[in-house]
Amino acid sequence: DVKVTQSSRYLVKRTGEKVFLECVQDMDHENMFWYRQDPGLGLRLIYFSYDVKMKEKGDIPEGYSVSREKKERFSLILESASTNQTSMYLCASSLMMVRHLNTEAFFGQGTRLTVV
Amino acid sequence: AQTVTQSQPEMSVQEAETVTLSCTYDTSESDYYLFWYKQPPSRQMILVIRQEAYKQQNATENRFSVNFQKAAKSFSLKISDSQLGDAAMYFCALYTGTASKLTFGTGTRLQVTL
Repeated sequence: DVKVTQSSRYLVKRTGEKVFLECVQDMDHENMFWYRQDPGLGLRLIYFSYDVKMKEKGDIPEGYSVSREKKERFSLILESASTNQTSMYLCASSLMMVRHLNTEAFFGQGTRLTVV
Repeated sequence: AQTVTQSQPEMSVQEAETVTLSCTYDTSESDYYLFWYKQPPSRQMILVIRQEAYKQQNATENRFSVNFQKAAKSFSLKISDSQLGDAAMYFCALYTGTASKLTFGTGTRLQVTL
């Protein structure tokens, strides 16, 4: 069974704090993704990574950074948390896309972050 | 740039009836996957169905089927014989191989009524 595990289900942080959201997958997937989910806006891609130490900006990278030092772990960092970063954060992983090889993204359970 | 558009924020269907959720997308890639994911109140995202762009045949999974119109860049989901357990948020997603990028739409909340 594929597992994507996010370190916290609920998190409350203060404005200005540095926040780390951790994600670990156990299926040796090359790709990992971080999204934030807000009502009416769906899932918006923050950053993704297709290999160790590689990272690509998604659609809303401002205010965030990421780290992928090991293949199984992808961390999302809020350098200085702000109230507009209060949201649900979802991590996902997948294989590289190869024709004839069925692939899908597997998701963690989500972290609901509140910044006060 | 790649985009996914779901124009129906909410839909409602009676139990045992059929409902179709709409999705359009845009990409310059020729090789890609399209997905429908379901997110129940538990928040766990669950894959419903997938379609590879090079396959002409529409994918089906039990009561779920898609209408994939590649030229029109349309990818709708049909749910037949709707059940109470189908009530959830449904997200359409586009995965392009060159960029390894996975993009989602804004979602459609499906209600199933008795």
